[in-house]
Amino acid sequence: QVQLQESGPGLVKPSETLSLTCTVSGGSISGYYWGWIRQSPGKGLEVIAYMYYTGSTAYNPSLQSRVTILLDMSKNQFSLKVGSVTATDTAMYYCARHEYGVGLQHWGHGTLVTVSS
Amino acid sequence: DIQMTQSPSTLSASVGDRVTITCRASQSISSWLAWYQQKPGKAPKLLISKASTLESGVPSRFSGAESGTEFTLTISSLQPDDFATYYCQQYSTFWAFGQGTKVEIK
Repeated sequence: QVQLQESGPGLVKPSETLSLTCTVSGGSISGYYWGWIRQSPGKGLEVIAYMYYTGSTAYNPSLQSRVTILLDMSKNQFSLKVGSVTATDTAMYYCARHEYGVGLQHWGHGTLVTVSS
Repeated sequence: DIQMTQSPSTLSASVGDRVTITCRASQSISSWLAWYQQKPGKAPKLLISKASTLESGVPSRFSGAESGTEFTLTISSLQPDDFATYYCQQYSTFWAFGQGTKVEIK
């Protein structure tokens, strides 16, 4: 059974860079899309970025200038960096796997990131 | 970008009720639409893919339909476990979620 687990600091200072890693177990990175979705407290779901295992990427236009998504197939991990964070980046961050034509079948439990000094 | 407009934002219903949630895409997305259920403190769970394909293990009281750019999620007989927030998501172009519909107890 595929499992995803987010890891990274729970607290980030304003103007710094938020870095998260998603570790995939029970399955391969190959053949799927891998994405980051966040949810601000009490709000809806926002797609940040995703990438195909071949390396092609897609970014939310509203965040694109501050966001990088990377894949490390040797470690079965993918990562997210969000630069110049502000309080509005405070959210639960989820990593997820998308199967082509199906949707986001597998999700991590999520990790809460708070931006505060 | 394709926008997803989901309605209603809140739905009050009783156990046994038939409920329908609607999602409208700003342009054609073919059938590239999924529905998710999210409970407090949990990650979303995929219920339906390709507008109407029920995921394995999802109760048959859930169903999805499409008509052009309008998509619906129907729960035929609401059960206590179904009180949650539901989201649609298009994956035709850059993935995008609807605003969500909270199904609450009447």
